Amino acid sequence: GAGVSQSPSNKVTEKGKDVELRCDPISGHTALYWYRQSLGQGLEFLIYFQGNSAPDKSGLPSDRFSAERTGGSVSTLTIQRTQQEDSAVYLCASSLDRGKNEQYFGPGTRLTVT
Amino acid sequence: GEDVEQSLFLSVREGDSSVINCTYTDSSSTYLYWYKQEPGAGLQLLTYIFSNMDMKQDQRLTVLLNKKDKHLSLRIADTQTGDSAIYFCAEKSYSGAGSYQLTFGKGTKLSVIP
Repeated sequence: GAGVSQSPSNKVTEKGKDVELRCDPISGHTALYWYRQSLGQGLEFLIYFQGNSAPDKSGLPSDRFSAERTGGSVSTLTIQRTQQEDSAVYLCASSLDRGKNEQYFGPGTRLTVT
Repeated sequence: GEDVEQSLFLSVREGDSSVINCTYTDSSSTYLYWYKQEPGAGLQLLTYIFSNMDMKQDQRLTVLLNKKDKHLSLRIADTQTGDSAIYFCAEKSYSGAGSYQLTFGKGTKLSVIP
């Protein structure tokens, strides 16, 4: 079946602009995660959605970052007033529910802020 | 907070065994994972182990867990050039308010020499 998809695959933007990154999780997966992977770094947890519960935003690095998940499916990560340090690969993952072991990752969006 | 450490690079000859090591700090971790990331791709779950197990074997992969020392290893038998990738160790930990997180190491880049 279809895996997790993300769009765009690459995004180049100028410093100060806003960007939106999209994630389509696997159908039926109630849990959705956003991570950031910077060059030479591990994965940094950003935000987690579980069903209709309030999201866990504890990993968001600043108030310029926000995310929403409409209808319990598609999620959008928005970065306002982008900075060069926001350049990274943004990965989305979904799992059947929060207790399940397997998180299935999308291919990521490579964001470059110039 | 939780921390996951792994060596950054490993180089082996084709046909040899590879052993990738990882240490973690959260003694309450319930599951530990190994993910593989090929160039330009998202993360692929290779295997996981529950914290009450010492060993798990899956074809060419063997995971060893020393819970006392908080040490996890991944052994790849008969390493092939297709195994060249970055391998991430991750632990699942409870982050409060009914939320779980995966904390990832920075990844070990495995290079297989033909």
